Amino acid sequence: DGGITQSPKYLFRKEGQNVTLSCEQNLNHDAMYWYRQDPGQGLRLIYYSQIVNDFQKGDIAEGYSVSREKKESFPLTVTSAQKNPTAFYLCASSTAGRRSSYNEQFFGPGTRLTVL
Amino acid sequence: QKEVEQDPGPLSVPEGAIVSLNCTYSNSAFQYFMWYRQYSRKGPELLMYTYSSGNKEDGRFTAQVDKSSKYISLFIRDSQPSDSATYLCAMSGGGNNRLAFGKGNQVVVIP
Repeated sequence: DGGITQSPKYLFRKEGQNVTLSCEQNLNHDAMYWYRQDPGQGLRLIYYSQIVNDFQKGDIAEGYSVSREKKESFPLTVTSAQKNPTAFYLCASSTAGRRSSYNEQFFGPGTRLTVL
Repeated sequence: QKEVEQDPGPLSVPEGAIVSLNCTYSNSAFQYFMWYRQYSRKGPELLMYTYSSGNKEDGRFTAQVDKSSKYISLFIRDSQPSDSATYLCAMSGGGNNRLAFGKGNQVVVIP
């Protein structure tokens, strides 16, 4: 049963803590993405990776970090430097390679992060 | 000016009505146009995909792209309560791998 899984579904963080959100896919996709969604804001790109051991900053990368050590996994760490981390975080993957413009992205179920 | 503009205002319609959604964009390099549907507290799912200008129909859903006007539309015929969701337009092109999203429209179909 192929797909994208994100865990946990809900996450609570105290101020000053780093937390890591998990994203795993078994679709054999090369590219993976992290988005943040706030009410009325749509999806904003945090980081993306087109290949293992390589990733690029998106539009709102400050206060976040990622790694891409395996094709299947793209964890996102929300650091204490992120001043307003409460949001819905979505991971996605796609088959698009470096020279392709077609980019059908498949999304995971999301993680809702709340800062206490 | 944002790359993709989508009026995020909520839309309530009676069951059976036609729902009309649209987005405008500024980047003429966009060639691929998508509509995603997102149910509450879930991840978005791809609903329709169109390449370049033209129409595409899939059951009750029709996507239109007018590249000369930089305008895309989604129509839902015979709307059902199960169509109640947020609809996000997205587009890509110009040689990079990134999608540009609109803010999304929340649609409520009233039985």
